[in-house]
Amino acid sequence: SQTIHQWPATLVQPVGSPLSLECTVEGTSNPNLYWYRQAAGRGLQLLFYSVGIGQISSEVPQNLSASRPQDRQFILSSKKLLLSDSGFYLCAWRRGLIGEVNTEAFFGQGTRLTVV
Amino acid sequence: AQSVAQPEDQVNVAEGNPLTVKCTYSVSGNPYLFWYVQYPNRGLQFLLKYITGDNLVKGSYGFEAEFNKSQTSFHLKKPSALVSDSALYFCAVRDMLTNQAGTALIFGKGTTLSVSS
Repeated sequence: SQTIHQWPATLVQPVGSPLSLECTVEGTSNPNLYWYRQAAGRGLQLLFYSVGIGQISSEVPQNLSASRPQDRQFILSSKKLLLSDSGFYLCAWRRGLIGEVNTEAFFGQGTRLTVV
Repeated sequence: AQSVAQPEDQVNVAEGNPLTVKCTYSVSGNPYLFWYVQYPNRGLQFLLKYITGDNLVKGSYGFEAEFNKSQTSFHLKKPSALVSDSALYFCAVRDMLTNQAGTALIFGKGTTLSVSS
């Protein structure tokens, strides 16, 4: 079966410090990978998605970047965190077969980031 | 452009009563529709989806949803609510016309369901 791991679960970082959140998927190959941010416990904002190694699409301009160094690894980064980067970050995956656009996404447990 | 609206920030029901969480959508073509549930400080869990076929879709934990094309709605329902159903519920959509493998789900803002004992 497929599983998704996301870490750390919680993180407190000072303003101006770097960030690296990691997400890995097991039990599948060539998944589509996504990073979402959830602010104030409500709506989900899509930040980045990737259909393959080294392929990153950004949905909103921001202080963050994403990378996919391996097929099942997705990393969210920042060089200098802002207070506004605080939030709950969720990684997700779904099957990446061409034409299977009706498949659901599966989410990691999330990372609560607090920038102080 | 695709969009999803969840008109209620919060829904309150008594345990044992039926519950409905509303969702309406807007897409260019035919939609793929999804419901997810989120417990505090956790990721989203998939409940059910509508792709095609029967308008009434059954999912996990006794939940079901009814697709209504004329009203562009996909309301989540359960005949008898449990206190443990209390959580944040998200409706999501993907447009069939956007036939790209990477296309992400577009989520509503979420509805908090509170079931009282």
